[in-house]
Formats: sequence, structure tokens, C-alpha cells
Amino acid sequence: EVQLVESGGGLVKPGGSLRLSCAASGFTFSSYSMNWVRQAPGKGLEWVSSISSSSSYIYYADSVKGRFTISRDNAKNSLYLQMNSLRAEDTAVYYCARDKSPEYCSSTSCPLDYWGQGTLVTVSS
Amino acid sequence: DIVMTQSPDSLAVSLGERATINCKSSQSVLYSSNNKNYLAWYQQKPGQPPKLLIYWASTRESGVPDRFSGSGSGTDFTLTISSLQAEDVAVYYCQQYYSTPHFGPGTKVDIK
Repeated sequence: EVQLVESGGGLVKPGGSLRLSCAASGFTFSSYSMNWVRQAPGKGLEWVSSISSSSSYIYYADSVKGRFTISRDNAKNSLYLQMNSLRAEDTAVYYCARDKSPEYCSSTSCPLDYWGQGTLVTVSS
Repeated sequence: DIVMTQSPDSLAVSLGERATINCKSSQSVLYSSNNKNYLAWYQQKPGQPPKLLIYWASTRESGVPDRFSGSGSGTDFTLTISSLQAEDVAVYYCQQYYSTPHFGPGTKVDIK
């Protein structure tokens, strides 16, 4: 069974930093590209960042470019999101999500076929 | 960036009746090389993460009931729930994966 479990969320002051983790199991993690998607309270979904299976390709939404860094450790079956210079508008539930297999994808992105339960990040003084 | 819009923002449908949600992209998401539309639909129930329902605009994900269907091509797409069930109350999002992903704003479906 595919499982994605996020951790690392919490309350942080504006300008602060936080590192999110996503532990993956039930599939060959090193074969799949992964994503972070966030959802502000009561709002819609916003794609944040994606990373290819070997970390060769990394993409960011304009809203987080230069402040957030996505990374992965295939030996540990883990995905990370380092978030710096946090702002109030970064307050959201952050989901880890797996790309569907490459044959279903464009050259840039994919449908997201498995999602974690999310971790809440609150940026407030 | 390819931006997605959805209509309506919300709708209420009687049990057993049809629900129709529209999604529009700012540019075509049809790949001419393979004639596939890079458009997905997701269902999000309260307190849960999204669930992939449909990809390639009309292909149901494994395990998704056949009352859910997707149609459309190019820039205009539709998600149809043919006979609304109580468990279908949710917010539905479209997403393009032709370029870096972008989700529509969502459509809330309730029971009338």
C-alpha cells in the first residue's frame, strides 16, 4: 500500500524557516517524481514544487521561488521542503503528492495519484 | 503559465440527478503529437486530501465509479457525475499538467 506521511509543520514567525519531510513507503520511491502542493485555510489547491526521480529536474511556483528548496533522499525514501523567509501567505496545509508513472505525463508534469494527509504550517507573530 | 478557471463556483443537485462542472484553460492542453489532453480531475472531501478521479481528460483512475466521466478537448472540459450520490459531496478541482501544474479554483458540490 502506498503511504505518504508528512511531518515538520508548526507555528513559525514571519521571516522564519521550517523544514517539511515526507516519508514514503509501499512503492519504489526512487522511480517517481514527487511534489509539494499546499492549501490555505478554506482555499483551493496550489502546486508548490516538484522534483524528478533523480533530482535532475526541479520546478517551483513563482510564489515560492528563491525562498523554498525541494530535495529528496532516495536512500531514505524521503522528500523534503526547506522553507525560508516565510510569510503569512504561506500559511497552509502542505501535501506531499506522487506523480503518476511517466507514461501518463507530459515532459513537465503529471497527474498526482497519491497524496499524504498533509501537515499544517502557520506563519504568524 | 496556463491558468485554469472553473464554473460554477458551487452547485446543489438532488440525489440521483446529474451534476456538471466546467473547466477552461487559458491555452490548449492538447498535445498534437499524441492527441491527448493533459487535464486531470480531483475530488476533495472535507478533512481529506484530494483524490485523483480522471486523467487525460476522460480516463478514469482505477477504482473510480463509472458515474464519473470527463469530456472535452483543447481548452474546454467537463466533469459529469451522472447520478449524484451522498458520498459525492465534495469540492472538485481540474488541473492541467501540460506545463508546470496549475489547479482550477474548485467547484463545491452539495445535495439539494
